[in-house]
Amino acid sequence: GNSVTQMEGPVTLSEEAFLTINCTYTATGYPSLFWYVQYPGEGLQLLLKATKADDKGSNKGFEATYRKETTSFHLEKGSVQVSDSAVYFCALSSETSGSRLTFGEGTQLTVNP
Amino acid sequence: DGGITQSPKYLFRKEGQNVTLSCEQNLNHDAMYWYRQDPGQGLRLIYYSQIVNDFQKGDIAEGYSVSREKKESFPLTVTSAQKNPTAFYLCAVGPGTSYNEQFFGPGTRLTVL
Repeated sequence: GNSVTQMEGPVTLSEEAFLTINCTYTATGYPSLFWYVQYPGEGLQLLLKATKADDKGSNKGFEATYRKETTSFHLEKGSVQVSDSAVYFCALSSETSGSRLTFGEGTQLTVNP
Repeated sequence: DGGITQSPKYLFRKEGQNVTLSCEQNLNHDAMYWYRQDPGQGLRLIYYSQIVNDFQKGDIAEGYSVSREKKESFPLTVTSAQKNPTAFYLCAVGPGTSYNEQFFGPGTRLTVL
């Protein structure tokens, strides 16, 4: 079946540092890949997505590239802010999962001023 | 305005009582989903519905029940059979087909005393 593995957290960075949160997946075929962000006490917000190999999703300074050869979709941001502190979830959807999403466990990011 | 509405934001109930959580959407999506999130944990799928008057069990359906009488509404009942009901409950909606993202509501935090 499908699975998503995220780097373990928590991750603590200083403001303006470079961020990478690793995400690798197992799925048959060519899944769609997503990053969601969850701020404290809120629901998940779709941050970015990619639907085919080599696609780059981007939003609010965050980027992730769909790498079929390494089955990865790592989230990056060049300069984090305190307001980026949140939990980040990687997820996928494939033909075999129907309309269900497979989520990673989430990575807690804390950015200190 | 609107989108996805979950009410109330916070809910308190005594042990042994059933409680119903509301989820309403005006995005005209076919599919609706209920997830449970425990502190510091990922998301677990409780139930989902891809069409009116039909729904499927997710990974942790025991102790929960749902109905889908209208496209816009997908209420979740937490029954007294659910052993550990205190959690953050998230409703999501989506097109109901493979490869697509889901959109999340703001969540309801249920505390059973």
